[in-house]
Amino acid sequence: GIQVEQSPPDLILQEGANSTLRCNFSDSVNNLQWFHQNPWGQLINLFYIPSGTKQNGRLSATTVATERYSLLYISSSQTTDSGVYFCAVELRLYDRGSTLGRLYFGRGSQLTVWP
Amino acid sequence: DAGVIQSPRHEVTEMGQEVTLRCKPISGHNSLFWYRQTMMRGLELLIYFNNNVPIDDSGMPEDRFSAKMPNASFSTLKIQPSEPRDSAVYFCASRNRRANVLTFGAGSRLTVL
Repeated sequence: GIQVEQSPPDLILQEGANSTLRCNFSDSVNNLQWFHQNPWGQLINLFYIPSGTKQNGRLSATTVATERYSLLYISSSQTTDSGVYFCAVELRLYDRGSTLGRLYFGRGSQLTVWP
Repeated sequence: DAGVIQSPRHEVTEMGQEVTLRCKPISGHNSLFWYRQTMMRGLELLIYFNNNVPIDDSGMPEDRFSAKMPNASFSTLKIQPSEPRDSAVYFCASRNRRANVLTFGAGSRLTVL
């Protein structure tokens, strides 16, 4: 399967600081997603970003597919940003109008934001 | 849209007992995934279905685990007999025919004593 490596594994920040999380993957993919798992365990999709750059408020993500990495930027961090950020990748296939494939998850980056 | 619904949210059982976890995917989604999350192994894909058909069950740990999807709106993951090492959070997720985004349920936290 596809190998997914995330860094850093742990990050502690003061509120207001910026951070960058990285995801490296071993093979060509056509699906990359970033998820946030909050302290209550809920996994929420942040971005679908197989290539290019997207922004959503204080969060933005960039994927350089040819170099097999993606970055998640968090600006002006808040305590509510705390949790684990996962990168997941997939080589998705289409067969008779349906999507086949599986997402491979990294081990995540644990972010703690202190007030 | 109620999202992906899982039950029970918490289950505590004794070793040897049968455990059944349930999942209702989002209406219209045709792919369903079962994941297990532990501190040691992170998020592991156990099995996924496409149009109710199991496509990849290579992640199912052993014969004690089985999963079914009798129709488009319901799936079960069964562990029989359960063991303490099965303790984990089990997530169900779904996505639609050509969607890019996987939507997760809230998870079922299983503790086997």
